[in-house]
Amino acid sequence: KNEVEQSPQNLTAQEGEFITINCSYSVGISALHWLQQHPGGGIVSLFMLSSGKKKHGRLIATINIQEKHSSLHITASHPRDSAVYICAALGIVNTGNQFNFGTGTSLTVIP
Amino acid sequence: ETGVTQSPTHLIKTRGQQVTLRCSSQSGHNTVSWYQQALGQGPQFIFQYYREEENGRGNFPPRFSGLQFPNYSSELNVNALELDDSALYLCASSPPDSTQFFGPGTRLTVL
Repeated sequence: KNEVEQSPQNLTAQEGEFITINCSYSVGISALHWLQQHPGGGIVSLFMLSSGKKKHGRLIATINIQEKHSSLHITASHPRDSAVYICAALGIVNTGNQFNFGTGTSLTVIP
Repeated sequence: ETGVTQSPTHLIKTRGQQVTLRCSSQSGHNTVSWYQQALGQGPQFIFQYYREEENGRGNFPPRFSGLQFPNYSSELNVNALELDDSALYLCASSPPDSTQFFGPGTRLTVL
């Protein structure tokens, strides 16, 4: 069983729609990352959260530490937002850091 | 642009061969992690190096090994390649604050 679960696995939206991707984790974490991966593989870190909420442009990420849950919201979605969004929980391994990744949410935004 | 580069971009090998993948990190990023991402899956943690020593390891056999160098570059070596080793291999470097910067990945195909 993966320690990080994402939903939905696949999501298709019309341009302009408000999108929410959810992430639940079962491990203790020091931080949670939301990552964006485009076709071809390159990964970009969107947010790193340890509490509360962060906003960057049309993207908003929230985390509830007590409930072990995080959400990524995209407002006014656009076709260029089409990508795989991955939630990664950052735990502690020895003196370093180890990510536990969700399997990703594949988002397609249709014009 | 994350400042993390990987080489080569693509690589084709045959079963039983050995491969070396390379990653170049930003100056000051003392930690580097390597991940394997099979098609349609989230990345899986292989191992992490901190100041040139292995600092944590995921569930990968000893034929997966690594090195980290003082110039912030690192290598992932895989011996006795198997068909299931075909995947995207990602490296991610981080400064002390635990933000991770991902490279574009090396896509390895084992025939």
